[in-house]
Amino acid sequence: AQSVAQPEDQVNVAEGNPLTVKCTYSVSGNPYLFWYVQYPNRGLQFLLKYITGDNLVKGSYGFEAEFNKSQTSFHLKKPSALVSDSALYFCAVRTNTNAGKSTFGDGTTLTVKP
Amino acid sequence: DAMVIQNPRYQVTQFGKPVTLSCSQTLNHNVMYWYQQKSSQAPKLLFHYYDKDFNNEADTPDNFQSRRPNTSFCFLDIRSPGLGDAAMYLCATSRDRDVETQYFGPGTRLLVL
Repeated sequence: AQSVAQPEDQVNVAEGNPLTVKCTYSVSGNPYLFWYVQYPNRGLQFLLKYITGDNLVKGSYGFEAEFNKSQTSFHLKKPSALVSDSALYFCAVRTNTNAGKSTFGDGTTLTVKP
Repeated sequence: DAMVIQNPRYQVTQFGKPVTLSCSQTLNHNVMYWYQQKSSQAPKLLFHYYDKDFNNEADTPDNFQSRRPNTSFCFLDIRSPGLGDAAMYLCATSRDRDVETQYFGPGTRLLVL
């Protein structure tokens, strides 16, 4: 069975400071990892994904994430947070052995204060 | 520019009254998914279509059904909505399964009175 953990329900940062939203996963086989962002009353928007290759993945809106196989982690980062980054963030994992089913973490609410 | 469209955005129904939610896509993707999301929790996969093949999740109640009459459209039918079915319903598509990114629609918020 595959699973995703987002250990923090809430992350608070000041505008201009770096931010990290944590994600760890558990799968059998090679993981395909995704980050999505959700604004209130909206669907999920794709930010970035790791499939293979370079462990550092760059995505939309200045976000990046680093795949760490030994720690089974895929933390989302941004060097300088914006107030408009405040939203709900979901990490998700898929494999090629589970008919493409995505397993989502429980989400982390990011609040960036001016 | 909208790629995954869901109608309506808000739906109010009565307890036990059948309701249908609609999803359409302009991406020509093979896979279409329906998720249920409650109170900013993780989206829960109900089922997906891979082309015409329907794939139901083991824990999806029989009350939830789906139809995909063509590549572009997919419907979620709730035969007898209960109060516990009030949620946001998200439709998503992907070109294929596995590594492909999922593209989500804006969601339909269902209220059951």
